[in-house]
Amino acid sequence: NAGVTQTPKFQVLKTGQSMTLQCAQDMNHEYMSWYRQDPGMGLRLIHYSVGAGITDQGEVPNGYNVSRSTTEDFPLRLLSAAPSQTSVYFCASSTSRGRNSPLHFGNGTRLTVT
Amino acid sequence: AQRVTQPEKLLSVFKGAPVELKCNYSYSGSPELFWYVQYSRQRLQLLLRHISRESIKGFTADLNKGETSFHLKKPFAQEEDSAMYYCALSGRNNAGGTSYGKLTFGQGTILTVHP
Repeated sequence: NAGVTQTPKFQVLKTGQSMTLQCAQDMNHEYMSWYRQDPGMGLRLIHYSVGAGITDQGEVPNGYNVSRSTTEDFPLRLLSAAPSQTSVYFCASSTSRGRNSPLHFGNGTRLTVT
Repeated sequence: AQRVTQPEKLLSVFKGAPVELKCNYSYSGSPELFWYVQYSRQRLQLLLRHISRESIKGFTADLNKGETSFHLKKPFAQEEDSAMYYCALSGRNNAGGTSYGKLTFGQGTILTVHP
């Protein structure tokens, strides 16, 4: 199993550009989520999904869109990139809806917006 | 609202010394708490969870509901313990149901163990 796979690993955007961060998991996990990691802020939840066709907002959803058309994929879209979105983005998945289920993380995407 | 606080951004100890990474939380219900670790060039991974009452790589953490703390401890630090450590909390959603694995993370503590 590859686990959680994120692409690209690095990306540089200009302000106003749009792009999609890809996330795929091959563990048949119901739950998937996107976090951003910023110095001094820890990881903050952007959006999450509890299954195909179901998504909801996390703590910092503004400027991002998500969709979940399949169990495996959970792409994160930046509609109009801003310098404040410079961050490291992590996708994660979990095997069940239980609160104790650990999250499995991808390797991250380092995004710079100039 | 749920909140996790890790008061130390950086923590340095020498090999063989005891180490304690502090974590305090704010949550009105019964929380589930975790420690995640990110070693250099590796992905973030679960270290331990309070419900399992386990010791992983010599680390333990006890949930103290009175002090709302979940400090991570190891009696003798090793150089390979150097990493970023995150404390995380899983609570319930606004409707009182299971939060489906949504975690609230602390700010993280970078632990450096010197030889």
